[in-house]
Amino acid sequence: QKEVEQDPGPLSVPEGAIVSLNCTYSNSAFQYFMWYRQYSRKGPELLMYTYSSGNKEDGRFTAQVDKSSKYISLFIRDSQPSDSATYLCAMPSRMDTGRRALTFGSGTRLQVQP
Amino acid sequence: NAGVMQNPRHLVRRRGQEARLRCSPVKGHSHVYWYRQLPEEGLKFMVYLQKENIIDESGMPKERFSAEFPKEGPSILRIQQVVRGDSAAYFCASSPRNTGPYSYEQYFGPGTRLTVT
Repeated sequence: QKEVEQDPGPLSVPEGAIVSLNCTYSNSAFQYFMWYRQYSRKGPELLMYTYSSGNKEDGRFTAQVDKSSKYISLFIRDSQPSDSATYLCAMPSRMDTGRRALTFGSGTRLQVQP
Repeated sequence: NAGVMQNPRHLVRRRGQEARLRCSPVKGHSHVYWYRQLPEEGLKFMVYLQKENIIDESGMPKERFSAEFPKEGPSILRIQQVVRGDSAAYFCASSPRNTGPYSYEQYFGPGTRLTVT
């Protein structure tokens, strides 16, 4: 079983739709959660960072963490064609200062149709 | 607004040659990470370095791969005697601090796309 599971998509939605992207994880020690956006042939861009259960909002983006279910979500409101990209969830593999490797999900490819 | 810089952006090497990938972290960041993204696969951690020290190389292949982050200059990922399976995108990331809840934030560069022919 992979430590982090993410539906690869592709997910195709019309412009203006609410998008829900999800990841599940197996290691209950994970405490910090990140969402990255990666455009084709570009580097990942950090979108959201959260370290507690509940919701965190930033503009059109909301990150949600449910540690009891080991489930995290990213919601995008009023989606735009420019949101078309691959979305990656990530979390640190270990919590000691010598181990800062991020474990990534495989990414969900999103396409927003104009 | 100088983010993480990587060069070259594209690198073509023949089998058996050496590849050197360079990474300059965000100004003021002293923690550097290298990740590899194989075609149709996710990002995989390779190595974590601070200035003049390798902190975690648990993701590095045991042979042919090495990394350094000298006191002066960029971090270098070196691949000796490249093989076709080394063809991938190599990303460098940096972070500014090693304590506190935001110490796990990592900012990525644009990547170097290595093609081995």
